[in-house]
Amino acid sequence: EAAVTQSPRNKVAVTGGKVTLSCNQTNNHNNMYWYRQDTGHGLRLIHYSYGAGSTEKGDIPDGYKASRPSQENFSLILELATPSQTSVYFCASGDQDWGGAETLYFGSGTRLTVL
Amino acid sequence: GEQVEQLPSILRVQEGSSASINCSYEDSASNYFPWYKQEPGENPKLIIDIRSNMERKQIQELIVLLDKKAKRFSLHITDTQPGDSAMYFCAASEEASSSFSKLVFGQGTSLSVVP
Repeated sequence: EAAVTQSPRNKVAVTGGKVTLSCNQTNNHNNMYWYRQDTGHGLRLIHYSYGAGSTEKGDIPDGYKASRPSQENFSLILELATPSQTSVYFCASGDQDWGGAETLYFGSGTRLTVL
Repeated sequence: GEQVEQLPSILRVQEGSSASINCSYEDSASNYFPWYKQEPGENPKLIIDIRSNMERKQIQELIVLLDKKAKRFSLHITDTQPGDSAMYFCAASEEASSSFSKLVFGQGTSLSVVP
Protein backbone atom coordinates (compact mmCIF):
# COMPACT_ATOMS: atom_id res chain seq x y z
CA GLU A 1 0.00 0.00 0.00
CA ALA A 2 1.06 3.58 -0.66
CA ALA A 3 3.07 5.15 2.12
CA VAL A 4 2.59 8.82 2.89
CA THR A 5 4.35 10.18 5.94
CA GLN A 6 3.60 13.52 7.55
CA SER A 7 5.55 15.43 10.15
CA PRO A 8 5.03 16.63 12.74
CA ARG A 9 1.98 14.74 14.04
CA ASN A 10 1.11 17.59 16.39
CA LYS A 11 2.19 21.22 16.39
CA VAL A 12 1.41 24.20 18.58
CA ALA A 13 2.30 27.57 17.07
CA VAL A 14 1.89 31.19 18.09
CA THR A 15 -0.05 33.75 16.10
CA GLY A 16 2.23 35.40 13.56
CA GLY A 17 4.75 32.60 13.63
CA LYS A 18 5.92 30.54 10.66
CA VAL A 19 4.85 26.91 10.40
CA THR A 20 6.07 24.29 7.96
CA LEU A 21 4.26 20.97 7.56
CA SER A 22 6.14 18.24 5.73
CA CYS A 23 4.97 15.31 3.66
CA ASN A 24 6.93 12.46 2.09
CA GLN A 25 5.64 9.72 -0.22
CA THR A 26 7.56 6.67 -1.36
CA ASN A 27 5.34 5.48 -4.19
CA ASN A 28 6.53 7.69 -7.01
CA HIS A 29 3.09 9.27 -7.44
CA ASN A 30 3.03 12.36 -9.61
CA ASN A 31 0.28 14.17 -7.71
CA MET A 32 0.37 15.41 -4.15
CA TYR A 33 -2.24 17.34 -2.21
CA TRP A 34 -2.73 19.27 1.01
CA TYR A 35 -6.18 19.26 2.62
CA ARG A 36 -7.50 20.61 5.88
CA GLN A 37 -10.28 18.90 7.78
CA ASP A 38 -12.74 20.87 9.87
CA THR A 39 -16.04 19.76 11.34
CA GLY A 40 -18.88 20.73 9.05
CA HIS A 41 -16.58 21.42 6.12
CA GLY A 42 -15.19 18.00 5.28
CA LEU A 43 -11.87 17.95 3.44
CA ARG A 44 -10.93 21.15 1.67
CA LEU A 45 -8.10 21.40 -0.84
CA ILE A 46 -5.43 24.00 -0.09
CA HIS A 47 -2.68 23.35 -2.64
CA TYR A 48 -1.71 20.56 -4.98
CA SER A 49 1.14 19.57 -7.28
CA TYR A 50 1.49 17.65 -10.55
CA GLY A 51 5.16 16.87 -9.97
CA ALA A 52 8.48 18.19 -8.79
CA GLY A 53 8.71 21.96 -9.14
CA SER A 54 4.98 22.53 -9.62
CA THR A 55 2.44 23.93 -7.17
CA GLU A 56 -1.14 24.93 -7.86
CA LYS A 57 -3.75 26.73 -5.78
CA GLY A 58 -6.61 24.63 -4.51
CA ASP A 59 -9.97 25.83 -3.27
CA ILE A 60 -8.79 27.63 -0.11
CA PRO A 61 -5.17 28.76 -0.73
CA ASP A 62 -5.21 32.10 1.10
CA GLY A 63 -2.65 32.24 3.91
CA TYR A 64 -0.78 29.16 2.68
CA LYS A 65 2.16 28.46 0.38
CA ALA A 66 3.36 25.13 -0.92
CA SER A 67 6.66 23.72 -2.11
CA ARG A 68 7.40 20.56 -4.12
CA PRO A 69 11.20 20.31 -4.34
CA SER A 70 11.18 16.65 -5.39
CA GLN A 71 8.86 13.85 -6.45
CA GLU A 72 8.78 12.58 -2.86
CA ASN A 73 8.35 15.76 -0.83
CA PHE A 74 5.58 18.34 -0.60
CA SER A 75 5.51 21.01 2.11
CA LEU A 76 2.80 23.36 3.31
CA ILE A 77 3.97 26.70 4.68
CA LEU A 78 2.07 29.12 6.87
CA GLU A 79 4.16 32.30 6.81
CA LEU A 80 2.05 34.14 9.40
CA ALA A 81 -0.07 31.64 11.30
CA THR A 82 -3.49 32.73 12.57
CA PRO A 83 -5.90 31.01 14.99
CA SER A 84 -8.29 30.38 12.08
CA GLN A 85 -5.67 27.99 10.69
CA THR A 86 -6.09 25.69 13.68
CA SER A 87 -7.11 22.43 12.05
CA VAL A 88 -6.10 18.91 11.07
CA TYR A 89 -4.03 18.87 7.90
CA PHE A 90 -3.80 15.86 5.61
CA CYS A 91 -1.32 15.26 2.83
CA ALA A 92 -2.24 12.84 0.06
CA SER A 93 -0.67 11.41 -3.08
CA GLY A 94 -2.03 9.66 -6.15
CA ASP A 95 -1.91 9.16 -9.89
CA GLN A 96 -4.81 9.75 -12.25
CA ASP A 97 -5.84 7.23 -14.88
CA TRP A 98 -6.97 8.06 -18.41
CA GLY A 99 -10.43 9.06 -17.18
CA GLY A 100 -9.30 11.32 -14.35
CA ALA A 101 -10.05 8.74 -11.64
CA GLU A 102 -7.51 8.71 -8.85
CA THR A 103 -7.14 6.87 -5.57
CA LEU A 104 -5.79 9.23 -2.94
CA TYR A 105 -3.48 7.82 -0.29
CA PHE A 106 -3.57 9.98 2.80
CA GLY A 107 -0.98 10.50 5.48
CA SER A 108 -1.81 10.24 9.17
CA GLY A 109 -2.50 13.93 9.54
CA THR A 110 -0.99 16.85 11.45
CA ARG A 111 -3.01 18.48 14.21
CA LEU A 112 -2.07 22.18 14.24
CA THR A 113 -3.10 24.53 17.01
CA VAL A 114 -2.40 28.24 16.61
CA LEU A 115 -2.61 30.17 19.88
CA GLY B 1 -16.40 25.65 -9.00
CA GLU B 2 -17.89 22.30 -8.12
CA GLN B 3 -19.79 22.04 -4.84
CA VAL B 4 -20.80 18.79 -3.17
CA GLU B 5 -23.55 18.64 -0.56
CA GLN B 6 -23.64 15.60 1.74
CA LEU B 7 -26.47 14.56 4.02
CA PRO B 8 -27.06 13.65 6.73
CA SER B 9 -24.18 14.97 8.81
CA ILE B 10 -24.95 12.50 11.61
CA LEU B 11 -26.50 9.05 11.17
CA ARG B 12 -27.27 6.49 13.83
CA VAL B 13 -28.54 3.04 12.88
CA GLN B 14 -29.24 -0.26 14.54
CA GLU B 15 -26.77 -3.06 13.95
CA GLY B 16 -27.96 -5.24 11.07
CA SER B 17 -30.00 -2.50 9.43
CA SER B 18 -29.09 -0.44 6.36
CA ALA B 19 -27.50 3.01 6.28
CA SER B 20 -27.80 5.51 3.43
CA ILE B 21 -25.79 8.64 2.72
CA ASN B 22 -26.74 11.04 -0.03
CA CYS B 23 -24.66 13.51 -2.02
CA SER B 24 -25.47 16.03 -4.71
CA TYR B 25 -23.17 17.92 -7.05
CA GLU B 26 -23.48 20.86 -9.41
CA ASP B 27 -21.06 20.33 -12.30
CA SER B 28 -22.54 18.11 -15.01
CA ALA B 29 -18.98 17.50 -16.27
CA SER B 30 -18.04 15.59 -13.10
CA ASN B 31 -17.31 12.01 -14.10
CA TYR B 32 -15.81 10.28 -11.08
CA PHE B 33 -17.38 9.81 -7.64
CA PRO B 34 -15.39 8.10 -4.86
CA TRP B 35 -16.32 7.40 -1.25
CA TYR B 36 -13.79 7.55 1.57
CA LYS B 37 -14.11 6.11 5.06
CA GLN B 38 -12.26 7.62 8.02
CA GLU B 39 -12.19 5.62 11.24
CA PRO B 40 -11.62 7.53 14.50
CA GLY B 41 -8.07 8.84 14.72
CA GLU B 42 -7.19 7.46 11.30
CA ASN B 43 -6.73 8.82 7.80
CA PRO B 44 -9.40 8.61 5.08
CA LYS B 45 -9.30 5.53 2.87
CA LEU B 46 -11.06 4.82 -0.42
CA ILE B 47 -13.80 2.19 -0.02
CA ILE B 48 -15.72 2.33 -3.30
CA ASP B 49 -16.05 4.55 -6.35
CA ILE B 50 -18.19 4.89 -9.46
CA ARG B 51 -17.61 6.44 -12.83
CA SER B 52 -20.17 8.39 -14.81
CA ASN B 53 -20.71 5.54 -17.30
CA MET B 54 -22.24 3.42 -14.53
CA GLU B 55 -25.46 3.71 -12.52
CA ARG B 56 -24.77 1.12 -9.84
CA LYS B 57 -21.76 -0.56 -8.27
CA GLN B 58 -21.56 -3.04 -5.43
CA ILE B 59 -18.63 -4.30 -3.38
CA GLN B 60 -19.81 -6.75 -0.72
CA GLU B 61 -22.14 -4.78 1.59
CA LEU B 62 -21.45 -1.42 -0.10
CA ILE B 63 -23.70 -0.17 -2.89
CA VAL B 64 -23.20 3.08 -4.77
CA LEU B 65 -25.93 4.56 -6.98
CA LEU B 66 -25.43 7.40 -9.45
CA ASP B 67 -28.22 9.49 -11.02
CA LYS B 68 -26.51 11.79 -13.49
CA LYS B 69 -29.73 13.49 -14.53
CA ALA B 70 -30.48 14.54 -10.97
CA LYS B 71 -26.76 15.05 -10.17
CA ARG B 72 -27.04 12.81 -7.15
CA PHE B 73 -25.16 9.82 -5.86
CA SER B 74 -25.52 7.75 -2.76
CA LEU B 75 -23.83 5.12 -0.61
CA HIS B 76 -25.82 2.31 0.94
CA ILE B 77 -24.37 0.02 3.56
CA THR B 78 -26.43 -3.13 4.03
CA ASP B 79 -26.35 -5.24 7.21
CA THR B 80 -24.34 -2.67 9.15
CA GLN B 81 -21.83 -3.81 11.77
CA PRO B 82 -20.07 -1.91 14.57
CA GLY B 83 -16.96 -1.78 12.39
CA ASP B 84 -18.90 0.41 9.94
CA SER B 85 -18.98 3.20 12.54
CA ALA B 86 -16.84 5.97 11.03
CA MET B 87 -16.85 9.24 9.14
CA TYR B 88 -17.77 8.89 5.48
CA PHE B 89 -16.95 11.39 2.74
CA CYS B 90 -18.31 11.53 -0.77
CA ALA B 91 -16.44 13.39 -3.50
CA ALA B 92 -16.90 14.47 -7.10
CA SER B 93 -14.24 15.21 -9.69
CA GLU B 94 -13.79 18.72 -11.02
CA GLU B 95 -11.76 19.51 -14.13
CA ALA B 96 -8.84 21.72 -13.08
CA SER B 97 -7.23 21.75 -16.54
CA SER B 98 -7.62 19.91 -19.84
CA SER B 99 -5.58 17.02 -18.46
CA PHE B 100 -6.16 17.11 -14.71
CA SER B 101 -9.10 16.64 -12.39
CA LYS B 102 -9.26 17.32 -8.67
CA LEU B 103 -11.71 16.06 -6.08
CA VAL B 104 -14.23 18.17 -4.21
CA PHE B 105 -15.38 16.51 -1.00
CA GLY B 106 -18.70 16.65 0.79
CA GLN B 107 -18.97 17.76 4.41
CA GLY B 108 -18.90 14.23 5.81
CA THR B 109 -21.34 11.93 7.59
CA SER B 110 -20.63 10.53 11.03
CA LEU B 111 -22.16 7.04 11.12
CA SER B 112 -22.72 5.22 14.40
CA VAL B 113 -23.90 1.61 14.41
CA VAL B 114 -25.45 0.73 17.75
CA PRO B 115 -26.21 -2.77 19.10
